[in-house]
Amino acid sequence: RKEVEQDPGPFNVPEGATVAFNCTYSNSASQSFFWYRQDCRKEPKLLMSVYSSGNEDGRFTAQLNRASQYISLLIRDSKLSDSATYLCVVIPQGAQKLVFGQGTRLTINP
Amino acid sequence: DGGITQSPKYLFRKEGQNVTLSCEQNLNHDAMYWYRQDPGQGLRLIYYSQIVNDFQKGDIAEGYSVSREKKESFPLTVTSAQKNPTAFYLCASSIDLRLRDTQYFGPGTRLTVL
Repeated sequence: RKEVEQDPGPFNVPEGATVAFNCTYSNSASQSFFWYRQDCRKEPKLLMSVYSSGNEDGRFTAQLNRASQYISLLIRDSKLSDSATYLCVVIPQGAQKLVFGQGTRLTINP
Repeated sequence: DGGITQSPKYLFRKEGQNVTLSCEQNLNHDAMYWYRQDPGQGLRLIYYSQIVNDFQKGDIAEGYSVSREKKESFPLTVTSAQKNPTAFYLCASSIDLRLRDTQYFGPGTRLTVL
Protein backbone atom coordinates (compact mmCIF):
# COMPACT_ATOMS: atom_id res chain seq x y z
CA ARG A 1 0.00 0.00 0.00
CA LYS A 2 1.33 3.45 -0.90
CA GLU A 3 2.01 5.87 1.95
CA VAL A 4 -0.25 8.47 0.39
CA GLU A 5 -2.93 7.64 -2.19
CA GLN A 6 -5.08 9.89 -4.33
CA ASP A 7 -7.55 9.26 -7.11
CA PRO A 8 -5.64 10.59 -10.13
CA GLY A 9 -8.85 11.61 -11.90
CA PRO A 10 -9.29 13.47 -14.13
CA PHE A 11 -12.26 15.21 -12.56
CA ASN A 12 -14.16 17.31 -15.11
CA VAL A 13 -16.77 19.59 -13.57
CA PRO A 14 -18.72 22.61 -14.83
CA GLU A 15 -17.88 26.09 -13.65
CA GLY A 16 -19.75 26.96 -10.47
CA ALA A 17 -20.01 23.37 -9.25
CA THR A 18 -18.76 22.04 -5.97
CA VAL A 19 -16.09 19.37 -6.15
CA ALA A 20 -14.43 17.30 -3.46
CA PHE A 21 -11.66 14.76 -3.40
CA ASN A 22 -9.95 12.71 -0.76
CA CYS A 23 -6.50 11.48 0.02
CA THR A 24 -5.73 8.48 2.23
CA TYR A 25 -2.53 7.94 4.21
CA SER A 26 -1.18 4.74 5.68
CA ASN A 27 0.83 5.95 8.70
CA SER A 28 -1.64 6.49 11.52
CA ALA A 29 0.94 8.53 13.44
CA SER A 30 1.28 11.14 10.69
CA GLN A 31 1.33 14.62 12.14
CA SER A 32 1.12 17.19 9.40
CA PHE A 33 -0.97 17.43 6.27
CA PHE A 34 -1.09 19.86 3.38
CA TRP A 35 -2.72 20.43 0.02
CA TYR A 36 -0.54 21.80 -2.76
CA ARG A 37 -1.67 22.98 -6.16
CA GLN A 38 0.39 22.37 -9.30
CA ASP A 39 -0.36 24.00 -12.63
CA CYS A 40 0.74 22.32 -15.84
CA ARG A 41 4.54 22.35 -16.19
CA LYS A 42 4.95 24.52 -13.07
CA GLU A 43 6.16 23.96 -9.54
CA PRO A 44 3.79 22.95 -6.72
CA LYS A 45 2.53 25.78 -4.53
CA LEU A 46 1.08 25.50 -1.07
CA LEU A 47 -2.71 25.78 -1.14
CA MET A 48 -3.45 25.19 2.51
CA SER A 49 -2.44 23.31 5.62
CA VAL A 50 -4.90 20.84 7.09
CA TYR A 51 -5.53 21.11 10.81
CA SER A 52 -7.26 18.65 13.09
CA SER A 53 -10.18 21.02 13.45
CA GLY A 54 -10.39 21.53 9.71
CA ASN A 55 -9.84 24.86 8.04
CA GLU A 56 -11.41 27.08 5.45
CA ASP A 57 -9.90 29.63 3.11
CA GLY A 58 -12.47 31.34 0.94
CA ARG A 59 -13.98 28.74 -1.38
CA PHE A 60 -11.63 26.01 -0.17
CA THR A 61 -12.24 23.76 2.84
CA ALA A 62 -9.85 21.10 4.09
CA GLN A 63 -10.77 18.40 6.57
CA LEU A 64 -8.83 15.72 8.43
CA ASN A 65 -10.36 12.42 9.49
CA ARG A 66 -7.83 10.65 11.70
CA ALA A 67 -10.06 7.67 12.43
CA SER A 68 -10.33 6.78 8.76
CA GLN A 69 -6.91 8.23 7.87
CA TYR A 70 -7.87 10.57 5.11
CA ILE A 71 -7.88 14.25 4.33
CA SER A 72 -10.27 15.97 1.99
CA LEU A 73 -10.41 19.12 -0.09
CA LEU A 74 -13.69 20.80 -1.01
CA ILE A 75 -13.88 23.54 -3.62
CA ARG A 76 -17.11 25.54 -3.79
CA ASP A 77 -18.28 27.70 -6.68
CA SER A 78 -15.44 26.42 -8.83
CA LYS A 79 -13.70 28.80 -11.24
CA LEU A 80 -11.94 28.09 -14.52
CA SER A 81 -8.71 29.11 -12.76
CA ASP A 82 -9.11 26.23 -10.30
CA SER A 83 -8.09 23.81 -13.07
CA ALA A 84 -4.87 22.22 -11.85
CA THR A 85 -3.46 19.11 -10.20
CA TYR A 86 -3.97 18.97 -6.45
CA LEU A 87 -1.28 17.19 -4.46
CA CYS A 88 -1.89 15.70 -1.04
CA VAL A 89 1.16 15.90 1.23
CA VAL A 90 1.79 14.15 4.54
CA ILE A 91 4.63 14.32 7.06
CA PRO A 92 4.81 10.96 8.88
CA GLN A 93 5.66 11.12 12.56
CA GLY A 94 9.41 11.32 13.11
CA ALA A 95 10.11 11.74 9.42
CA GLN A 96 12.21 14.57 8.09
CA LYS A 97 10.60 14.58 4.68
CA LEU A 98 7.29 15.16 3.00
CA VAL A 99 5.46 12.32 1.28
CA PHE A 100 3.49 13.33 -1.80
CA GLY A 101 0.50 11.70 -3.36
CA GLN A 102 0.48 11.38 -7.15
CA GLY A 103 -2.04 14.18 -7.45
CA THR A 104 -5.65 14.58 -8.56
CA ARG A 105 -6.16 16.34 -11.85
CA LEU A 106 -9.10 18.75 -11.93
CA THR A 107 -10.50 20.51 -15.00
CA ILE A 108 -13.21 23.14 -14.66
CA ASN A 109 -15.24 23.50 -17.86
CA PRO A 110 -17.04 26.69 -18.97
CA ASP B 1 12.39 39.43 -3.50
CA GLY B 2 12.93 36.31 -1.44
CA GLY B 3 12.64 32.98 -3.15
CA ILE B 4 14.18 29.91 -4.72
CA THR B 5 15.82 29.99 -8.11
CA GLN B 6 16.74 27.09 -10.32
CA SER B 7 18.77 27.15 -13.47
CA PRO B 8 18.64 26.39 -16.25
CA LYS B 9 14.92 26.07 -16.97
CA TYR B 10 15.56 23.58 -19.77
CA LEU B 11 18.60 21.35 -20.10
CA PHE B 12 19.58 18.88 -22.77
CA ARG B 13 22.22 16.25 -22.17
CA LYS B 14 23.81 13.57 -24.24
CA GLU B 15 23.88 10.06 -22.88
CA GLY B 16 26.97 9.39 -20.78
CA GLN B 17 27.40 13.00 -19.65
CA ASN B 18 27.16 14.31 -16.12
CA VAL B 19 25.16 17.49 -15.64
CA THR B 20 24.70 19.79 -12.64
CA LEU B 21 21.44 21.56 -11.79
CA SER B 22 21.61 24.73 -9.76
CA CYS B 23 19.38 25.64 -6.80
CA GLU B 24 19.76 28.84 -4.78
CA GLN B 25 17.55 30.26 -2.03
CA ASN B 26 17.65 33.57 -0.15
CA LEU B 27 14.95 32.67 2.36
CA ASN B 28 17.50 31.81 5.07
CA HIS B 29 16.04 28.30 5.22
CA ASP B 30 18.09 25.55 6.82
CA ALA B 31 16.58 22.62 4.92
CA MET B 32 16.77 22.01 1.18
CA TYR B 33 15.46 19.19 -0.97
CA TRP B 34 15.63 17.76 -4.48
CA TYR B 35 12.68 15.98 -6.08
CA ARG B 36 12.09 14.32 -9.39
CA GLN B 37 8.70 14.32 -11.11
CA ASP B 38 7.80 12.12 -14.07
CA PRO B 39 4.66 12.69 -16.19
CA GLY B 40 1.46 11.82 -14.35
CA GLN B 41 3.32 10.97 -11.18
CA GLY B 42 3.92 12.54 -7.81
CA LEU B 43 7.18 13.90 -6.52
CA ARG B 44 9.91 11.50 -5.46
CA LEU B 45 12.64 12.61 -3.06
CA ILE B 46 16.23 12.34 -4.33
CA TYR B 47 18.32 14.00 -1.59
CA TYR B 48 17.76 16.38 1.28
CA SER B 49 19.92 18.47 3.56
CA GLN B 50 19.02 19.83 6.99
CA ILE B 51 22.21 21.83 7.54
CA VAL B 52 25.36 22.89 5.72
CA ASN B 53 27.85 20.12 5.00
CA ASP B 54 25.30 17.42 5.73
CA PHE B 55 22.82 15.63 3.47
CA GLN B 56 20.86 12.39 3.35
CA LYS B 57 19.67 10.11 0.58
CA GLY B 58 16.02 10.15 -0.28
CA ASP B 59 14.03 7.41 -1.94
CA ILE B 60 15.73 7.46 -5.34
CA ALA B 61 19.31 8.67 -4.77
CA GLU B 62 21.06 6.22 -7.08
CA GLY B 63 22.76 7.99 -9.98
CA TYR B 64 22.63 11.40 -8.29
CA SER B 65 24.98 13.38 -6.06
CA VAL B 66 24.70 16.63 -4.11
CA SER B 67 26.75 19.04 -2.05
CA ARG B 68 25.82 21.63 0.57
CA GLU B 69 28.82 23.89 1.04
CA LYS B 70 26.72 27.00 1.61
CA LYS B 71 23.35 27.47 3.27
CA GLU B 72 21.98 29.17 0.16
CA SER B 73 23.02 26.58 -2.39
CA PHE B 74 22.22 22.89 -2.97
CA PRO B 75 23.36 21.78 -6.46
CA LEU B 76 22.33 18.40 -7.85
CA THR B 77 24.53 16.40 -10.23
CA VAL B 78 22.85 13.88 -12.47
CA THR B 79 25.52 11.35 -13.31
CA SER B 80 25.83 8.99 -16.23
CA ALA B 81 24.90 6.19 -13.81
CA GLN B 82 21.31 7.45 -13.70
CA LYS B 83 19.54 5.15 -16.14
CA ASN B 84 16.53 7.28 -16.98
CA PRO B 85 17.33 10.89 -16.15
CA THR B 86 14.76 12.62 -18.37
CA ALA B 87 12.36 14.28 -15.91
CA PHE B 88 11.26 17.51 -14.23
CA TYR B 89 13.57 18.32 -11.30
CA LEU B 90 12.30 20.46 -8.44
CA CYS B 91 14.27 22.01 -5.63
CA ALA B 92 12.57 23.03 -2.40
CA SER B 93 13.46 24.58 0.94
CA SER B 94 11.91 24.91 4.37
CA ILE B 95 12.81 26.53 7.67
CA ASP B 96 13.08 23.20 9.47
CA LEU B 97 11.03 20.16 8.63
CA ARG B 98 11.09 18.99 12.24
CA LEU B 99 8.98 22.03 13.04
CA ARG B 100 6.47 20.75 10.47
CA ASP B 101 6.97 23.78 8.32
CA THR B 102 5.92 23.62 4.72
CA GLN B 103 8.25 23.49 1.76
CA TYR B 104 8.55 26.13 -0.92
CA PHE B 105 9.54 25.13 -4.43
CA GLY B 106 11.69 26.62 -7.14
CA PRO B 107 10.41 26.81 -10.73
CA GLY B 108 12.10 23.55 -11.73
CA THR B 109 14.50 22.34 -14.41
CA ARG B 110 13.36 20.11 -17.27
CA LEU B 111 16.15 17.72 -18.17
CA THR B 112 16.05 15.82 -21.44
CA VAL B 113 18.58 13.20 -22.41
CA LEU B 114 19.13 13.00 -26.14
